Amino acid sequence: AQSVTQPDIHITVSEGASLELRCNYSYGATPYLFWYVQSPGQGLQLLLKYFSGDTLVQGIKGFEAEFKRSQSSFNLRKPSVHWSDAAEYFCAVEGNKLVFGAGTILRVKS
Amino acid sequence: NAGVTQTPKFQVLKTGQSMTLQCAQDMNHNSMYWYRQDPGMGLRLIYYSASEGTTDKGEVPNGYNVSRLNKREFSLRLESAAPSQTSVYFCASSDDGFGSYNEQFFGPGTRLTVL
Repeated sequence: AQSVTQPDIHITVSEGASLELRCNYSYGATPYLFWYVQSPGQGLQLLLKYFSGDTLVQGIKGFEAEFKRSQSSFNLRKPSVHWSDAAEYFCAVEGNKLVFGAGTILRVKS
Repeated sequence: NAGVTQTPKFQVLKTGQSMTLQCAQDMNHNSMYWYRQDPGMGLRLIYYSASEGTTDKGEVPNGYNVSRLNKREFSLRLESAAPSQTSVYFCASSDDGFGSYNEQFFGPGTRLTVL
């Protein structure tokens, strides 16, 4: 069975600073990997996804993620964070089910 | 397009009461899902419907039942609510089911409190 670990429960960054959210997965086969974002009081929205090909994936809102098979990681990055990026971010892996990590809450300091 | 809609947005129940959460999608998707979200636990799959006429258990199905009423609608029923079912419930839909690499589209959620 697949599993996802997001080691950071909360992260605070200053507006304009760079961001990296960590995600480690466990899955026996080649995984489908996703990052979703949840703004307060809202449902989840897909930021980006990866299955094969270029290991650096571009998403919406200026986010990107890099798949590293050797580290079983799929970390999310953004070069310059905006106040509107404050939200909860979920990494997910799909095998026979879609399994979500526990989430990382991002706070942005002005 | 409204996407995925859920009713109600908020609900308070007493222990032992029953209720049905409604979900509808207008994207002509084949697959629909019910998740619950609890602090520090991410989203956990309760039930899903890969296609009209089929339903399957997810990770946490106990205490719940579902009905895929037609292609658009997928309801979740709590027959006898318990405080442990206090949670935020999300419905989602996608073109096809698990293993198809499809994006899931989520509704805005139902916040349920069981006293």
